[in-house]
Amino acid sequence: GNSVTQMEGPVTLSEEAFLTINCTYTATGYPSLFWYVQYPGEGLQLLLKATKADDKGSNKGFEATYRKETTSFHLEKGSVQVSDSAVYFCALSDQSRAGKSTFGDGTTLTVKP
Amino acid sequence: EAGVVQSPRYKIIEKKQPVAFWCNPISGHNTLYWYLQNLGQGPELLIRYENEEAVDDSQLPKDRFSAERLKGVDSTLKIQPAELGDSAVYLCASSSKGQYQGEQFFGPGTRLTVL
Repeated sequence: GNSVTQMEGPVTLSEEAFLTINCTYTATGYPSLFWYVQYPGEGLQLLLKATKADDKGSNKGFEATYRKETTSFHLEKGSVQVSDSAVYFCALSDQSRAGKSTFGDGTTLTVKP
Repeated sequence: EAGVVQSPRYKIIEKKQPVAFWCNPISGHNTLYWYLQNLGQGPELLIRYENEEAVDDSQLPKDRFSAERLKGVDSTLKIQPAELGDSAVYLCASSSKGQYQGEQFFGPGTRLTVL
């Protein structure tokens, strides 16, 4: 079956540091890939997405590139802020399985001033 | 537009008691999902509806869990009887076929504690 593996956390960074959260996946076919973010006390919300190989999703300074050859979708940000502290989930949606989604276990990011 | 609404936000019950969660999706969204999220893990799908029809309930423990989506709008997830291991956050999400491929909109969740 499909699976998503995320870099284990928690991750603690100082403000303005560079962020990378690794994500690799296993899937049949050509899934769409997503990063969701969950702030304390809130539901998951979409951060960015990519629907085909070599696509780059970007939002709020975050970026991730769909790498089919390495089955990866790593999340990056050049300069994190305290407000970026949250849990980040990598996910895939398998269109060959009627859009069934699989989520990683999440990576907790804490940014200190 | 209003987001996905869930209630209650928190629920504490004793084991063997019944419990129900309610979800109202974003208006116009025909697909509704119920997920289970254990502490430190990602959401795991329990059931997915397309309008009124449950199209994927393979992960729903049918001996104690049930769900319904009458009229294809809001939905209720029930557990009867609850067990200690059911303590978790229950998430509802919705999506529209016309939107981003596979993107889902999540509610804040219901945190269930079974004592």
